[in-house]
Amino acid sequence: NAGVTQTPKFRILKIGQSMTLQCTQDMNHNYMYWYRQDPGMGLKLIYYSVGAGITDKGEVPNGYNVSRSTTEDFPLRLELAAPSQTSVYFCASSYRDSRSYEQYFGPGTRLTVT
Amino acid sequence: AQSVTQLGSHVSVSEGALVLLRCNYSSSVPPYLFWYVQYPNQGLQLLLKYTSAATLVKGINGFEAEFKKSETSFHLTKPSAHMSDAAEYFCAAASGGSYIPTFGRGTSLIVHP
Repeated sequence: NAGVTQTPKFRILKIGQSMTLQCTQDMNHNYMYWYRQDPGMGLKLIYYSVGAGITDKGEVPNGYNVSRSTTEDFPLRLELAAPSQTSVYFCASSYRDSRSYEQYFGPGTRLTVT
Repeated sequence: AQSVTQLGSHVSVSEGALVLLRCNYSSSVPPYLFWYVQYPNQGLQLLLKYTSAATLVKGINGFEAEFKKSETSFHLTKPSAHMSDAAEYFCAAASGGSYIPTFGRGTSLIVHP
């Protein structure tokens, strides 16, 4: 299994541009998540999904959108990029039941908005 | 809402010394508790987890953590630090039927030769 994969690894955007961060998992996990990580601030939840067709906002959803058309994919869309969205973005997935609650993380996408 | 506090944004130890990273959670209901490690330029990976089976939990790379309900703590320890342990460590908690863990801010472990 590849686990959780994210593309691209790095990206530089100009202010006002848009882009989609891709996330795919091959573990048949129901739950998927998007986090951003800023220095000294830990992980902030942007959006999450409990299954295909179902998404919900996390702690910091403004400026982002998501969709979940399949179990495997959970893309994150940035519209009108702003410097405040410069961050490292992590996608994660987990089982739906109380088997563990543990999350599996992708390698991250480092985004710079200038 | 659940909150997780990690005391100390940076912890510095000498190689071979005891590692102690502190984590406290706020839930009155014993949660599921986790420690994750993040090496530079990588994603997070699970070190260990507490799911109510045993209060002392052993993880990978010689780390262990003890769940103490009376102190609402889940501190991470390792008897002897190795240079390769230098990384960022995150404590997380999930409870109340929510599958959405809450993360602490992280503790950077620095290991001196």
